[in-house]
Amino acid sequence: EVQLLESGGGLVQPGGSLRLSCAASGFTFSNCAMNWVRQAPGEGLEWVSGVGGNGADTSYADSVKGRFTISRDNSKNTVSLQMNSLRAEDTAVYFCVKQWGANGFHFDYWGQGVLVTVSS
Amino acid sequence: DIQMTQSPSTLSASVGDRVTITCRASQSINSWLAWYQQKPGKAPKLLIYKASSLESGVPSRFSGSGSGTEFTLTISSLQPDDFATYYCQQYNNYNTFGPGTKVDIK
Repeated sequence: EVQLLESGGGLVQPGGSLRLSCAASGFTFSNCAMNWVRQAPGEGLEWVSGVGGNGADTSYADSVKGRFTISRDNSKNTVSLQMNSLRAEDTAVYFCVKQWGANGFHFDYWGQGVLVTVSS
Repeated sequence: DIQMTQSPSTLSASVGDRVTITCRASQSINSWLAWYQQKPGKAPKLLIYKASSLESGVPSRFSGSGSGTEFTLTISSLQPDDFATYYCQQYNNYNTFGPGTKVDIK
């Protein structure tokens, strides 16, 4: 059974940093691209960032480019999102999402999400 | 960037109704489109991928069609468990979600 368990959310002041982690199990982790998708309170879904199976290929939404960094550790089956220079508009539930296979495919499994609140 | 739109934004329907949601892309995405269902407080769930392929375990009352820039999600006979918000997503060029369609009880 595929499981994706996010951690690291919480309350942070504007301009601060936070690191989200996602522990994956139930599939061959290194074969699959991984992503972060967020959802602001009462709003729709926004893709944030993705990383290929080898960790070398990364991509970001324009809204977070230069502030967020995605990485993965295939030896530990984890993917992380380092979030710097946080803004109020980054407040959202962040979902860890598995991609079916490599980059360029649909998202087949989602974690339950972790809440990030940026506020003073 | 590819923009996605959905219509309607809200749909009121009754159990047993046939429901159709439309998703449009700002440029051709071939068939690289997925549909997700989300219930309040829960993670989205994959329903359809590659425009018309039904994800394993998803009831056959859900179907998808379209290619290029126009796509539809159809629920052939709405069930109580289907009241939720539905999102389309293009994955032809990075990833973009539509704004969502809320299906509520009439």
